[in-house]
Amino acid sequence: AQSVTQPDIHITVSEGASLELRCNYSYGATPYLFWYVQSPGQGLQLLLKYFSGDTLVQGIKGFEAEFKRSQSSFNLRKPSVHWSDAAEYFCAVGAHFGAGNMLTFGGGTRLMVKP
Amino acid sequence: ETGVTQSPTHLIKTRGQQVTLRCSSQSGHNTVSWYQQALGQGPQFIFQYYREEENGRGNFPPRFSGLQFPNYSSELNVNALELDDSALYLCASSQGQAGGYVKNIQYFGAGTRLSVL
Repeated sequence: AQSVTQPDIHITVSEGASLELRCNYSYGATPYLFWYVQSPGQGLQLLLKYFSGDTLVQGIKGFEAEFKRSQSSFNLRKPSVHWSDAAEYFCAVGAHFGAGNMLTFGGGTRLMVKP
Repeated sequence: ETGVTQSPTHLIKTRGQQVTLRCSSQSGHNTVSWYQQALGQGPQFIFQYYREEENGRGNFPPRFSGLQFPNYSSELNVNALELDDSALYLCASSQGQAGGYVKNIQYFGAGTRLSVL
């Protein structure tokens, strides 16, 4: 069965500083990987996805993530954090399931941004 | 905005009652997945509907059931509510196809916050 681990429950960074959120996955086949962001009281917004090809993927809001098969990781990065980036971030792996895929999420990382 | 809408936004029920949550999928999508997100945790997969049929389910008891309608909107029903059912329920729609089209993207609604007292 697939699983996702986000080792950091909380992270605090200063505005303008760089950010890296860690994600490790376990899945027996080629993984489909996603990062979603959730603002307080809101649903999940897709930041970026990896299906195949280039292991460095670009997303919305200036985010990028790098797939490293050897490390079973899919870390999310941003070179300069803005106060509006404060939110909860979820990494997910998509497993083949029926007519589509089933997402298994990590426990999330709450990002706080200091002014 | 994803085009996935859920109703109601908030709901308060008492233990033992039944609840129905609703989801309208994004235009062009034929697959709806439901997830439960307990406070402080990541979402957990409940089940998925594809073209009006349940496509499979996660580790949830039978008192969690659902429907999908011809317009691909969906309902989640929970019977005999328990305190631990208090959570944010998220609906996600996607474009699936028979035989397994895995490279699809799930778009989420804003969720229904259910409180069981």
